[in-house]
Amino acid sequence: KNQVEQSPQSLIILEGKNCTLQCNYTVSPFSNLRWYKQDTGRGPVSLTIMTFSENTKSNGRYTATLDADTKQSSLHITASQLSDSASYICVVRPGGFKTIFGAGTRLFVKA
Amino acid sequence: SQTIHQWPATLVQPVGSPLSLECTVEGTSNPNLYWYRQAAGRGLQLLFYSVGIGQISSEVPQNLSASRPQDRQFILSSKKLLLSDSGFYLCAWSVLIAGTGNEQFFGPGTRLTVL
Repeated sequence: KNQVEQSPQSLIILEGKNCTLQCNYTVSPFSNLRWYKQDTGRGPVSLTIMTFSENTKSNGRYTATLDADTKQSSLHITASQLSDSASYICVVRPGGFKTIFGAGTRLFVKA
Repeated sequence: SQTIHQWPATLVQPVGSPLSLECTVEGTSNPNLYWYRQAAGRGLQLLFYSVGIGQISSEVPQNLSASRPQDRQFILSSKKLLLSDSGFYLCAWSVLIAGTGNEQFFGPGTRLTVL
């Protein structure tokens, strides 16, 4: 069964600290993996996208990694800011129109 | 540039009432269009997708229906709402990007509460 599991479910960190969010998937076949940021009450916004051959992708303070062999991805946030408080969603596309969404990690950045 | 609109932003409806949510896309032609529902603490669930006018595919059996009367308009409807229809509804469009596949762009969403 195609699934995307994210951990932790929620996370609280202090402003300025780094954090890493995890994503494990059992989706097959694999086309690409995306990380989205979703502010409360808003639509998700794409942060990074990686295909099978890519191991890492950066977008400012966000760095995503992908290990296609172990089917794991992580999103590392450097020097967190209050505006980073949001849900971060891992999304895996097996191909075609199918898209498998993780439940997300809710990140709270406190001053 | 492309933009996607959804309305209304929030909606409170009684059980048994009809529903119509609208989504429009600007700045692109013949996009793939999607309706998702997001329940609290859950991942997005694909409800419908459309590859063209009048072409609708349903992912899950439910109390909802979708229509695409124009190229850049996607409508989500129900004849009689259920309590379980409450949630955050997101419309998205996608375009095929060489080397990375379909990139989806989401609208601002509609918060539906059925009482």
